This record gives sequence, C-alpha cells and structure tokens, in this order.
Amino acid sequence: DAKTTQPPSMDCAEGRAANLPCNHSTISGNEYVYWYRQIHSQGPQYIIHGLKNNETNEMASLIITEDRKSSTLILPHATLRDTAVYYCIVRPYTGTASKLTFGTGTRLQVTL
Amino acid sequence: DGGITQSPKYLFRKEGQNVTLSCEQNLNHDAMYWYRQDPGQGLRLIYYSQIVNDFQKGDIAEGYSVSREKKESFPLTVTSAQKNPTAFYLCASSTSGTGIHETQYFGPGTRLLVL
Repeated sequence: DAKTTQPPSMDCAEGRAANLPCNHSTISGNEYVYWYRQIHSQGPQYIIHGLKNNETNEMASLIITEDRKSSTLILPHATLRDTAVYYCIVRPYTGTASKLTFGTGTRLQVTL
Repeated sequence: DGGITQSPKYLFRKEGQNVTLSCEQNLNHDAMYWYRQDPGQGLRLIYYSQIVNDFQKGDIAEGYSVSREKKESFPLTVTSAQKNPTAFYLCASSTSGTGIHETQYFGPGTRLLVL
C-alpha cells in the first residue's frame, strides 16, 4: 500500500477555509485516496474519497493533482467543531478485502 | 437509528485476565473490523471479518481472538497473552469489505485499562 505524508499539525481561523495537504507520491493506479477525521476520544468519521477527479460533498472538497502524487482536503468554512485529527489514506481496489492504514494524521486546530 | 455500538466505554483488566469487548451493528454490513489505537498514534488493524463464521488476522492479532457467529456481532477477546493491552479499541463495519467505494463506519470505542 502507498504511504502518505501529512503535516503533524495546522491551525485555522473559524470561518476560513482549511486546506489540509497530503503527499502520496508512490500511489498506484488502483489506489483511492480516502479522508477520515477523528474528534478527540471518538471513532473516526469518513469524509470523502476519490481516484483522480476532484470530489465534493456536503462536508468537504478533495482536490487530487493530475499526477495523483498529492491531494488537498478543503473544509470551506471551518468551525470549532472541525477541530480533529485528519487522516489521509490510500486504499487499493483489488476486489478483495483491503484494510485502511492510518498514519498519525494532521491535527487541525480551529480557533476563534 | 442505524449504527455501531461498543460496550463498555471503559474496561479494566487485571493481570492474567481475559476480557471481551462487544461490538454490534444494525447497518446490515457484511464486513466488520477491530482496530487498536495507542496514544498519539494511528489505528492498527487487529482482525477483520467479511462474512459470518469467517475472519482473518490483521497486523497485530497476537494476544487477541474474535468470533463472528452472527452478522451483526463481532466480539473481541483480549487474552492474557496480550502483554500490553492498554489502548483505545475501535470497531468498524462496511458493506462488503471489497467494494470500490467501500466506507468504514466506526463505533465510539472502548478504552481498556490494566489494573
């Protein structure tokens, strides 16, 4: 499975966009990029995923570079409740069961 | 409400004791997973199951055992062979485990502490 690299921490002012980068330079053609977040002492929550096209849902947008070696998760209007650890994960689609490999993620602190 | 429940929220284990963590889901998912999380770390896969009466070891299965007798239940036993069991344990489920757009849904977790 491809490894991911994320900054350990970031700050964002409430109401501003939070842009969380992820490097996955060894990603393979059949690997999807997934984002989850974990609010303190809770289970992780799925946010969004994509293969090569940009994706948007009610929570966030995912921008994947053309060469697929990096991506950015965008929270358009961060609130205090978005304070969490954000995990970028690459998951292969092989038709068989595949695990999610969680790194240490980016700790996003949203401030007033 | 559909979802995943884990109990208890906190569990204390004495030396040499086996303890069982409960995980139940009513999402009609075929696949279920157990993860362990240590402070400041990501999640590590212990066991997973894609179908009733079948399960596979994950990355750190030693000292743990599971069963999958019912689709909605996937209990995890932390045995006395697990020498460092203090951690946050998370259960998850997904539709099949093999789909292209597979999303895992997580329970609230059980925090296990050794006395």
